[in-house]
Amino acid sequence: DGGITQSPKYLFRKEGQNVTLSCEQNLNHDAMYWYRQDPGQGLRLIYYSQIVNDFQKGDIAEGYSVSREKKESFPLTVTSAQKNPTAFYLCASSPTTSGRLEQFFGPGTRLTVL
Amino acid sequence: AQKITQTQPGMFVQEKEAVTLDCTYDTSDPSYGLFWYKQPSSGEMIFLIYQGSYDQQNATEGRYSLNFQKARKSANLVISASQLGDSAMYFCAMRERAYNTDKLIFGTGTRLQVFP
Repeated sequence: DGGITQSPKYLFRKEGQNVTLSCEQNLNHDAMYWYRQDPGQGLRLIYYSQIVNDFQKGDIAEGYSVSREKKESFPLTVTSAQKNPTAFYLCASSPTTSGRLEQFFGPGTRLTVL
Repeated sequence: AQKITQTQPGMFVQEKEAVTLDCTYDTSDPSYGLFWYKQPSSGEMIFLIYQGSYDQQNATEGRYSLNFQKARKSANLVISASQLGDSAMYFCAMRERAYNTDKLIFGTGTRLQVFP
């Protein structure tokens, strides 16, 4: 079945450590996105990528980094520079050709900084 | 300025009744798209329904329909015959075009609780 996988589901990190969240899709979508969700809030865009080897900052990119070396994969690194990293992280993908360009989401990773 | 506004933090509805979740948006782009997503307690975002700005008719998908009033910039979600499994967070989102990229802007969501 086609879809998006994120791992791990739950992640604990000590302050000062970098951590990488995985996102893989087999939908053959060109575009991929990372969102952050805090309690009682909507999703905020961290980074997005339209094609391999290219990515753009979203609204809250500070303290995060990404790479897009393969079409299927878009890992997110939460660095020690991110002041408040505890949140729920969602990865999404969408086609970039014509149509409604709906985004498909993975199951999410809940990151807790201890 | 907030581009997507959901003014109802929480809503209650009895099973089998209909419920309307409100969403207003703000854009100067004549071409845009509006989405509704459902987020159950598991966390995954589930696509429900889409309305394009040029669509002549209101979108419908099974028990979901979108009451699109372009002049008022509103895109309310109507769920008919509510079921207990409809209890979840619901997010309205607008597709915005920026630098040749389509991005989604989300509202803060409405928590719907369906009771027997």
